[in-house]
Amino acid sequence: QVQLQESGPGLVKPSETLSLTCSVSGGSVSSNGYYWTWIRQPPGKGLEWIGQIYYSGSTTYNPSLKSRVIMSVDTSKNSFSLKLSSVTAADSAVYYCARNRDNYNGMDVWGQGTTVIVSS
Amino acid sequence: DIQMTQSPSTLSASVGDRVTITCRASHAVSTRLAWYQKKPGEAPRLLIYKASTLESGVPLRFSGSGSGTEFTLTISSLQPDDFATYYCQQYNSHSAYTFGQGTKLEI
Repeated sequence: QVQLQESGPGLVKPSETLSLTCSVSGGSVSSNGYYWTWIRQPPGKGLEWIGQIYYSGSTTYNPSLKSRVIMSVDTSKNSFSLKLSSVTAADSAVYYCARNRDNYNGMDVWGQGTTVIVSS
Repeated sequence: DIQMTQSPSTLSASVGDRVTITCRASHAVSTRLAWYQKKPGEAPRLLIYKASTLESGVPLRFSGSGSGTEFTLTISSLQPDDFATYYCQQYNSHSAYTFGQGTKLEI
């Protein structure tokens, strides 16, 4: 079955850019009908949707983060990525990647999550 | 933006109880609503999508209902594994996805 695995630095300095990659195994990031998604959970808080990307490169971002987010997909590496610029301590969170099924059918496959701390 | 408000924020219950969690949307979202279970240190798990469709592999004691602005998640007979935090999530074409603040179900 499809599995997702996040990777990237666990510590990022304030004002720098957070970069994470989600590797897809057991399936293809180029499959029709799936959006590849990033969600985060700050310590002690709820879940926040960051955005999603289709294999074609089409993206949708959370309006509150849109000015700082760039997502991309790499079909040759079967992965997709998140870049969040100008980070502050408020961006410290567990970051999850997930597969979002088309037609509002829910986010059915999730990575285990990776903790990112923003600190100097 | 569409806001999602869950109630209660915390729910105390016992094994075998029937419990209901409510999620209200600030604007109608039709049935574009999902429910997730979240345990500490684990990834969220999809339970219900399109307001009332049970995800494959999810026990039948979980059910969802509602449309428009009011939705419910019901667990018919609580099991020890069900104690977790539950989140509703809506989709709309403008602000995309929004989660509720979560309902912690505790013993």
